[in-house]
Amino acid sequence: GAGVSQSPSNKVTEKGKDVELRCDPISGHTALYWYRQSLGQGLEFLIYFQGNSAPDKSGLPSDRFSAERTGGSVSTLTIQRTQQEDSAVYLCASSSRTGGAGEQYFGPGTRLTVT
Amino acid sequence: KQEVTQIPAALSVPEGENLVLNCSFTDSAIYNLQWFRQDPGKGLTSLLLIQSSQREQTSGRLNASLDKSSGRSTLYIAASQPGDSATYLCAVGGGSARQLTFGSGTQLTVLP
Repeated sequence: GAGVSQSPSNKVTEKGKDVELRCDPISGHTALYWYRQSLGQGLEFLIYFQGNSAPDKSGLPSDRFSAERTGGSVSTLTIQRTQQEDSAVYLCASSSRTGGAGEQYFGPGTRLTVT
Repeated sequence: KQEVTQIPAALSVPEGENLVLNCSFTDSAIYNLQWFRQDPGKGLTSLLLIQSSQREQTSGRLNASLDKSSGRSTLYIAASQPGDSATYLCAVGGGSARQLTFGSGTQLTVLP
């Protein structure tokens, strides 16, 4: 079975541009998370989806960040008007247990560089 | 707010040694604790998951313990090998989304 996949693996964008990052979770996993790994902040939680429930957006750093999950599967993280401090590796994880109490499996990440 | 600390930040050992990595957390109201390894430029590989009701988990040469009341976990690696060289991350699951709060990691180097 395939693991969590993310695309693109690398993205270089100019400051002020919008970017979209994609995550394909493990088939059948109902919980999906986005995290960000940066040099200064380590690994930090961004947003959580569980089934068709409203997402938990408590970790999003600003209103330039948004995410959606279509059909309870694929998720897209969008960053509008990118800033240099948005440069980081964006990691997606999925889990099979309701409420995300189970083991989280991570994708390889998207390395975002804002120039 | 949950805070996770890992000690030491870096560790270098000769091949064959047994070693212990430490993790502490400030809020004992957790759902689970997960240990990961991360190789340079790669994603996270899950090593062990301990549910809040459990005391330890074992997988091969790895053993992880959890003492929720004292806010501590240890990862024991037996008979270390150069292939074990990586950064090891401890993450505590909790909060409204059961999200993981990560420590800053222990960078392990096993010398041949």
